[in-house]
Amino acid sequence: GDSVTQMEGPVTLSEEAFLTINCTYTATGYPSLFWYVQYPGEGLQLLLKATKADDKGSNKGFEATYRKETTSFHLEKGSVQVSDSAVYFCALGGDGGYQKVTFGTGTKLQVIP
Amino acid sequence: NAGVTQTPKFQVLKTGQSMTLQCAQDMNHNSMYWYRQDPGMGLRLIYYSASEGTTDKGEVPNGYNVSRLNKREFSLRLESAAPSQTSVYFCASSGPGTGRNQPQHFGDGTRLSIL
Repeated sequence: GDSVTQMEGPVTLSEEAFLTINCTYTATGYPSLFWYVQYPGEGLQLLLKATKADDKGSNKGFEATYRKETTSFHLEKGSVQVSDSAVYFCALGGDGGYQKVTFGTGTKLQVIP
Repeated sequence: NAGVTQTPKFQVLKTGQSMTLQCAQDMNHNSMYWYRQDPGMGLRLIYYSASEGTTDKGEVPNGYNVSRLNKREFSLRLESAAPSQTSVYFCASSGPGTGRNQPQHFGDGTRLSIL
């Protein structure tokens, strides 16, 4: 079945550092890929998405490229801020007659001033 | 711009008690979902409703029931609460349509503790 594997956290970075959170997937067919972000005490929010191979999703300075050859969708940001501290979830949208989403276990990011 | 609204936000129950978690969305979405979030386990799907009038089991349905009351509302019921059901519960919706490109929209969660 479909699965998503993302790097374990927590990840601690200094402000303005470069961020990479790795995500790889296993899926049949042609899934869509998503990154969601969860701030403390809140639900998940869509951060970005990509729907086909070589697509790049971007939002708020974050980027991720859908790499079919390596089955990866790594999240990157060039310069993180304290306000980026949150839990990040990689997710896969597969086929199943409804909008089935498989989530990774989440990576907690802490940015220190 | 309410989006997905969940009630209550916090609840403490005793083992064996029952309760219903409420969820409503105002985005005219067809599909709705209930997840539970536990440390180190990400989100696990409990039940979903692909459209009004239909419900189906997800990954961890045991101990729960759901009702899709209308297009807007999807409730989750614990008939006899157990400590293992202590978790944070999220409702989500998506649409229109059921395509794999549709992101899900989440409520802020219900934090449930069972003693």
